[in-house]
Amino acid sequence: DSGVTQTPKHLITATGQRVTLRCSPRSGDLSVYWYQQSLDQGLQFLIQYYNGEERAKGNILERFSAQQFPDLHSELNLSSLELGDSALYFCASSVDPGARTEAFFGQGTRLTVV
Amino acid sequence: GENVEQHPSTLSVQEGDSAVIKCTYSDSASNYFPWYKQELGKRPQLIIDIRSNVGEKKDQRIAVTLNKTAKHFSLHITETQPEDSAVYFCAARGPTQGGSEKLVFGKGTKLTVNP
Repeated sequence: DSGVTQTPKHLITATGQRVTLRCSPRSGDLSVYWYQQSLDQGLQFLIQYYNGEERAKGNILERFSAQQFPDLHSELNLSSLELGDSALYFCASSVDPGARTEAFFGQGTRLTVV
Repeated sequence: GENVEQHPSTLSVQEGDSAVIKCTYSDSASNYFPWYKQELGKRPQLIIDIRSNVGEKKDQRIAVTLNKTAKHFSLHITETQPEDSAVYFCAARGPTQGGSEKLVFGKGTKLTVNP
């Protein structure tokens, strides 16, 4: 167990809908990363938050948004869902990106858009 | 921004042989290089990492080397076992615009160790 909790584990929804994925980082970790992993694909960096503020953005679609709350948990919102959004979504947390420390991954949320 | 290239995409070896996976990165300011192992349907897990002030690091059958001048780093697995079969990802982290850092991954190498 990495200490990073993601909910839900599985999500099936229809095209056009909106979903929210939740991530609770390890105790003490201030930084949260979100990644998308499609079938047989690598880990595509979406966005990073540090202590409530957005720190870096990757290839995140405009239909996607995220935030990190004062208690440090983070949510990834996906709207106007398309079939191609079906993927595993991982979040990872680390103490402080500047400290060059390990990022721990959650178990992921498997999103299926039908 | 940072770009990480990883080769090969697939690698098949016989049990007991060595396996080598290579990565190159683009941002010379990157200073942290972890390797993750992901088994089917599971989360990526860190197996070894190296920081920019070190050229080589070993942990039992796993070693990583870093060449900062050439901007490449490699994972070496010796005496491979069937349980080493998985997808391996390299990553690089360094400063981005505004002082923030992001962890960028290579596309992964699917390693198969044949008994």
